[in-house]
Amino acid sequence: GAVVSQHPSRVICKSGTSVKIECRSLDFQATTMFWYRQFPKQSLMLMATSNEGSKATYEQGVEKDKFLINHASLTLSTLTVTSAHPEDSSFYICSARGLDRGETQYFGPGTRLLVL
Amino acid sequence: EDQVTQSPEALRLQEGESSSLNCSYTVSGLRGLFWYRQDPGKGPEFLFTLYSAGEEKEKERLKATLTKKESFLHITAPKPEDSATYLCAVHPRETGNQFYFGTGTSLTVIP
Repeated sequence: GAVVSQHPSRVICKSGTSVKIECRSLDFQATTMFWYRQFPKQSLMLMATSNEGSKATYEQGVEKDKFLINHASLTLSTLTVTSAHPEDSSFYICSARGLDRGETQYFGPGTRLLVL
Repeated sequence: EDQVTQSPEALRLQEGESSSLNCSYTVSGLRGLFWYRQDPGKGPEFLFTLYSAGEEKEKERLKATLTKKESFLHITAPKPEDSATYLCAVHPRETGNQFYFGTGTSLTVIP
C-alpha cells in the first residue's frame, strides 16, 4: 500500500489564530496532493489540488488567502488555516497521488480542527 | 454533468448476511473508479481501483465489479468489523486530477 500521515490529528485553537496542518507521503513520492474538508455525515469536499513546486489550484468558493497551501517537496504539503474562526471547525483530510501509484489517491488519517 | 450516486444510503445486515452496495456514475469518460472504506473520525482507507468495464477485484470478504454505468461492492458473509461507511469515487477523463465522490453507504453489521 501507500502510507500518508497527517499532523496534528487534533487541534483546538482560539479564534483569530492560524493553524498549520502537515501532510506527508511516507513511502512514495507524491506528485499531486489534495486537501479535503468533511462535515459530519457528509462526503468529502475538495478544497484544493497542489502539485509539487507550483501554486495550488483552489475549488470554487474556497478562499485562497484563508487556506494557504504549500507543496514544497514530493513528500510534504501543508495547509495553513489563517485567522481561524469557529465556522472553520471541521475535519480536514489530505490525500496524495504518485506517478508510480496509478490514478489512486491515498488518504491521510485526517485532522480534527476545533476553533473556539 | 458528471455525477456519482451511491445506494443504499444506509444498510443493516446480520452477521453472515451477504449483500451488495451500488455506485452508479455518469461521466463522459472514465479514468478510474475507486472504493474506499471510512471509519468514524478517520480518513478513507483505499480498497480497490477499477479501470475498465468487466474488471473485478477481490480482497477478503469484499469484491468490486465494474460496468459502463455502475460498480458494485459485494460483501460476502460480513462480520461486525466490516461496519463502516463505504465511499465510491470516480476520476473522469476530462477533469484533470479531480475525483468525484458519492455520499457513501453506511454499513452496520449486527452480531
